[in-house]
Amino acid sequence: GEDVEQSLFLSVREGDSSVINCTYTDSSSTYLYWYKQEPGAGLQLLTYIFSNMDMKQDQRLTVLLNKKDKHLSLRIADTQTGDSAIYFCAESPGGSYIPTFGRGTSLIVHP
Amino acid sequence: DTAVSQTPKYLVTQMGNDKSIKCEQNLGHDTMYWYKQDSKKFLKIMFSYNNKELIINETVPNRFSPKSPDKAHLNLHINSLELGDSAVYFCASSQGLSGGAGELFFGEGSRLTVL
Repeated sequence: GEDVEQSLFLSVREGDSSVINCTYTDSSSTYLYWYKQEPGAGLQLLTYIFSNMDMKQDQRLTVLLNKKDKHLSLRIADTQTGDSAIYFCAESPGGSYIPTFGRGTSLIVHP
Repeated sequence: DTAVSQTPKYLVTQMGNDKSIKCEQNLGHDTMYWYKQDSKKFLKIMFSYNNKELIINETVPNRFSPKSPDKAHLNLHINSLELGDSAVYFCASSQGLSGGAGELFFGEGSRLTVL
């Protein structure tokens, strides 16, 4: 099976919160990342969390990590149309900095 | 200044041809990568180089040959192109084993279409 799993689509109304979920299998992951890919562009790192943290907040973004369940989530508060993109979860296995990516969640924000 | 730049952005070619995609990074990073993104947006690592040395070579046909003339450049040459090679190819770089949180910096992608 895949090392990193995430649902493929999420649709939200503008102004609502979005929560994108991810599960991973490697319990020795050192870092967990969220990348954003806008149409026709490359991936850009949004945020990352170190494995000894439970939560990280950065303006409208909140990352929650449940190590026991190997579950990572990204919450976007007050979602805007400009947040429409594909969001990739990734994890870095222990001893290596080369991340494994999930299949990406397409976030669609409608008025 | 573009941190990771790759050329060309679009490439349309016939089956059987040979083509190259070039990548350059001006971030001073030690490690560079090639990823392939298919039509379903699945991102798969192909190669990784650290200081011009190949460190990862995933199960990729040997028609694909990376070349790193220096640590700022990683080019991808593809021989005898096949329809299934159509995808977007992303170059990326990172500080790699020398430090950092392992974050990758991606180029804008090169969309290859094989007819």
